Amino acid sequence: GDSVTQMEGPVTLSEEAFLTINCTYTATGYPSLFWYVQYPGEGLQLLLKATKADDKGSNKGFEATYRKETTSFHLEKGSVQVSDSAVYFCALNSGGYQKVTFGTGTKLQVIP
Amino acid sequence: ETGVTQTPRHLVMGMTNKKSLKCEQHLGHNAMYWYKQSAKKPLELMFVYSLEERVENNSVPSRFSPECPNSSHLFLHLHTLQPEDSALYLCASSQDWGNSAGELFFGEGSRLTVL
Repeated sequence: GDSVTQMEGPVTLSEEAFLTINCTYTATGYPSLFWYVQYPGEGLQLLLKATKADDKGSNKGFEATYRKETTSFHLEKGSVQVSDSAVYFCALNSGGYQKVTFGTGTKLQVIP
Repeated sequence: ETGVTQTPRHLVMGMTNKKSLKCEQHLGHNAMYWYKQSAKKPLELMFVYSLEERVENNSVPSRFSPECPNSSHLFLHLHTLQPEDSALYLCASSQDWGNSAGELFFGEGSRLTVL
């Protein structure tokens, strides 16, 4: 079955540091890949997505590139802010069933 | 109101109680979902409704009973729960059922504690 593996958290960074959160996946076919973010006390919201190999999703300074050869979709940001503190979920959808498979989430804490 | 709204935000119940979680979406979407979020575990898909018909039920215990009276409303009826059912229950919606590139829109969740 489908699966998503994310790096264990929490990740603690100083403001303006470079961020990478690793995500790898196993899926049948050609899935769409997503990053969702959950701020404290809120539900998940879509951060970015990519629907085919080599696509780059980007939003709010975050980027992730769909790498089919390494089955990865790593999240990066060049300079994090305190307001980026949240839990980040990698996810995929491989079929026609809108059945999204999520990773366990990676908590990011940015300190001033 | 816009987006996906869940009530109540917090619920504490005993194992013999009966309660319900409510979800309402104002996005005109055709599919709605219940997810369970527990610490250090991936989100667990519980139920999916498309155009008010249940299309997915991931072997959820019968003490959880969903209801979708129309495409804008989704309920999760709870009875005789166990302490391990304590979690954050998230409702989500999407434009259509069957679009692999589609985005899920989540509510803020209902934090359930079972004593």
